Amino acid sequence: DGGITQSPKYLFRKEGQNVTLSCEQNLNHDAMYWYRQDPGQGLRLIYYSQIVNDFQKGDIAEGYSVSREKKESFPLTVTSAQKNPTAFYLCASSINVLGGGDTQYFGPGTRLTVL
Amino acid sequence: AQKITQTQPGMFVQEKEAVTLDCTYDTSDPSYGLFWYKQPSSGEMIFLIYQGSYDQQNATEGRYSLNFQKARKSANLVISASQLGDSAMYFCAMRDPFKIQGAQKLVFGQGTRLTINP
Repeated sequence: DGGITQSPKYLFRKEGQNVTLSCEQNLNHDAMYWYRQDPGQGLRLIYYSQIVNDFQKGDIAEGYSVSREKKESFPLTVTSAQKNPTAFYLCASSINVLGGGDTQYFGPGTRLTVL
Repeated sequence: AQKITQTQPGMFVQEKEAVTLDCTYDTSDPSYGLFWYKQPSSGEMIFLIYQGSYDQQNATEGRYSLNFQKARKSANLVISASQLGDSAMYFCAMRDPFKIQGAQKLVFGQGTRLTINP
């Protein structure tokens, strides 16, 4: 089945540690995104990537890093520089059509808790 | 900058009734897109419906329809014949065309928690 997978579902981190969240898609989508959701809030964009080996900062990129070495994979690293990393993280993908209105499809999310 | 406002933090509806979830938006761009997503307690965001700013007719997808009033800048989601499984958070989102070419940034509202009572 085509879709987006994220792992792990739950992640616990000690303060000062870096952690990496996995996002994989087999939809053959060019664009991928990372969003953060805090309790009772909407989603905010962390990073996005239009094509392989290219990515751009979103609204809240500080303390995060990404890579896009393969079309199907877009891992997110939460670094120790992120002051308040406890949140729900959602990965999404869409077909990259210039100026198009393509829908973003989301993975199941990773819930990160800093102990 | 684009902005989405959802003024209803929570709504309670009896099963089988229709429900309208409000969404207003603010943009100076004549070309934009509006999306509705459902987020059940599992956390995954499920795409429901899309409306383009130049679409002549209101979008419909099964029991979901979008009441698009361009002059009022509103894009309300209507769910007909509600079911217990409709209980979830619902988010309105707008495509932000200015900042990205190709990849489409979405700006989300705060969401409305819908509870369907049996």
